Amino acid sequence: NAGVTQTPKFRILKIGQSMTLQCTQDMNHNYMYWYRQDPGMGLKLIYYSVGAGITDKGEVLNGYNVSRSTTEDFPLRLELAAPSQTSVYFCASRLEGLYGYTFGSGTRLTVV
Amino acid sequence: GQQLNQSPQSMFIQEGEDVSMNCTSSSIFNTWLWYKQDPGEGPVLLIALYKAGELTSNGRLTAQFGITRKDSFLNISASIPSDVGIYFCAGHLGNQFYFGTGTSLTVIP
Repeated sequence: NAGVTQTPKFRILKIGQSMTLQCTQDMNHNYMYWYRQDPGMGLKLIYYSVGAGITDKGEVLNGYNVSRSTTEDFPLRLELAAPSQTSVYFCASRLEGLYGYTFGSGTRLTVV
Repeated sequence: GQQLNQSPQSMFIQEGEDVSMNCTSSSIFNTWLWYKQDPGEGPVLLIALYKAGELTSNGRLTAQFGITRKDSFLNISASIPSDVGIYFCAGHLGNQFYFGTGTSLTVIP
């Protein structure tokens, strides 16, 4: 099994550009999450989904959007990128009733 | 959001030494997890704790769920070079996990 796959691994964006970070899992997990990780900080939750068609915001507000049209895919959209969105983004998934997340290997985004 | 404080922030130890780190919160959590993150990778689950007072081992790693449910501890015995990385605690509340700020471990051969 591939687990949780994130693409791209690295990206440089100019201020004001938009992009979509892709996340796919092949474990039939119903819960999926997007986190950002800044240097010296823990992971901060951006959005999560408990199943296809259902999404909820986490602690990080503004500048992001998600969709969950299938169980497998949970893309994160950045509109009008800002330097404050420079970070490493992790996608994760888990099965309801089990608490261990499976994380992707991350997308390192720089906004200049 | 919830604040989980991990200490120490960083540790430099000699190979073979034991390591202790902890995580505290102002909130009560139902589940505590400990993760390890290698450079350039996502965190990987080490140990999950589900009950106050629970003590669980995974090889050289031992973790405890504090009886107040507001803290957790991780010990690594006889450290080896591959233990290098950042260790994160995470507490579960509602539909979310909240992560600590991490303890960076360096093992000197």
